[in-house]
Amino acid sequence: EDQVTQSPEALRLQEGESSSLNCSYTVSGLRGLFWYRQDPGKGPEFLFTLYSAGEEKEKERLKATLTKKESFLHITAPKPEDSATYLCAVQAPQAGTALIFGKGTTLSVSS
Amino acid sequence: SQTIHQWPATLVQPVGSPLSLECTVEGTSNPNLYWYRQAAGRGLQLLFYSVGIGQISSEVPQNLSASRPQDRQFILSSKKLLLSDSGFYLCAWSVTLHTEAFFGQGTRLTVV
Repeated sequence: EDQVTQSPEALRLQEGESSSLNCSYTVSGLRGLFWYRQDPGKGPEFLFTLYSAGEEKEKERLKATLTKKESFLHITAPKPEDSATYLCAVQAPQAGTALIFGKGTTLSVSS
Repeated sequence: SQTIHQWPATLVQPVGSPLSLECTVEGTSNPNLYWYRQAAGRGLQLLFYSVGIGQISSEVPQNLSASRPQDRQFILSSKKLLLSDSGFYLCAWSVTLHTEAFFGQGTRLTVV
């Protein structure tokens, strides 16, 4: 069973059409949740870290939120350059345990 | 500011040949270093991590090995590549172990 599930797998938006990506997790005692952006053929680019339920972080058109069971990445008025795969990862409660990554959501924004 | 360099960007190697991928980090001391593999349709899989020179932890048994000969240098190796070693390999670093990591640009390895 996947401990980190991202949905949808793929999302196609028109420029300016706001939407949200979801990252749900089953680990308890979360120590941190991370969002990354990955362009094709490139390494992931770090976006945000969230530590506790209710926390929010913003960067340009992106806003990440966290609840006790999931995180949302809200994209407001997206532009074609926001097209990428967005990955989330969680830090498990056990010390010394590696980050658990989801499989990602591939976002395509057309003009 | 910190930067991470990973090379080569692409590599095509025959089955049975050796492998050496190198990663270096600049602008920080004593980073935690990681090697990940990313396969299509699957999440990032941690292969190795290192908390210091000569200290290597392996997350999954495989045909690969890692070494850290210097504080900011991390090397992924294989003596004999298998077809199943093909994939996208990513080096990363972090300040604190198993927290937000910063990735290199990756190496696309194709074993033929």
